[in-house]
Amino acid sequence: QKEVEQNSGPLSVPEGAIASLNCTYSDRGSQSFFWYRQYSGKSPELIMFIYSNGDKEDGRFTAQLNKASQYVSLLIRDSQPSDSATYLCAVSPIIQGAQKLVFGQGTRLTINP
Amino acid sequence: GAVVSQHPSRVICKSGTSVKIECRSLDFQATTMFWYRQFPKQSLMLMATSNEGSKATYEQGVEKDKFLINHASLTLSTLTVTSAHPEDSSFYICSAHQTGGDFEQYFGPGTRLTVT
Repeated sequence: QKEVEQNSGPLSVPEGAIASLNCTYSDRGSQSFFWYRQYSGKSPELIMFIYSNGDKEDGRFTAQLNKASQYVSLLIRDSQPSDSATYLCAVSPIIQGAQKLVFGQGTRLTINP
Repeated sequence: GAVVSQHPSRVICKSGTSVKIECRSLDFQATTMFWYRQFPKQSLMLMATSNEGSKATYEQGVEKDKFLINHASLTLSTLTVTSAHPEDSSFYICSAHQTGGDFEQYFGPGTRLTVT
């Protein structure tokens, strides 16, 4: 069993719709959770992070965490073609400080105009 | 702020040669840097954790004698791929954690290594 699992996609969503990306993790000791966006040939960029159960909103992005179900998701509202990228879920066993991240395989998202 | 650079951005080398990749934090100090490898259509895999002034900590399955890491200053870590082979061809990405900072690590732009 992989430590962090994501559906590799591709996930195709029409422009303006909500894109929903999901991630499950196996280590119950995981404390912090991250969503990165990676364009082809580029390095990842941080979009959202979440530590506590529930929802966290930042602009068009909402991260949702359910530690009991070991599940974290990312919603992108009003999807734009520029959101087309691979989205990587990452988890860490700690909250502060320099932390080793375990990444999922990523979900490729395509927003169709 | 919080810019990390990598050099070179792309490198092609012949099988059996060694290649050095530099990772620099340009506007902050980084006691800890991380080295990742990403094969096509796969995720980032952590190779090693680099700590300034001490030996790197390698992840299981990563050969420390093949992937030499040196973190001699608070702004520079280097990864040397020794005796490179075609299977070492990959996208190598570093990240840096600001000394005394919170959780965030800042990623470099990556280095595309092709071994012929």
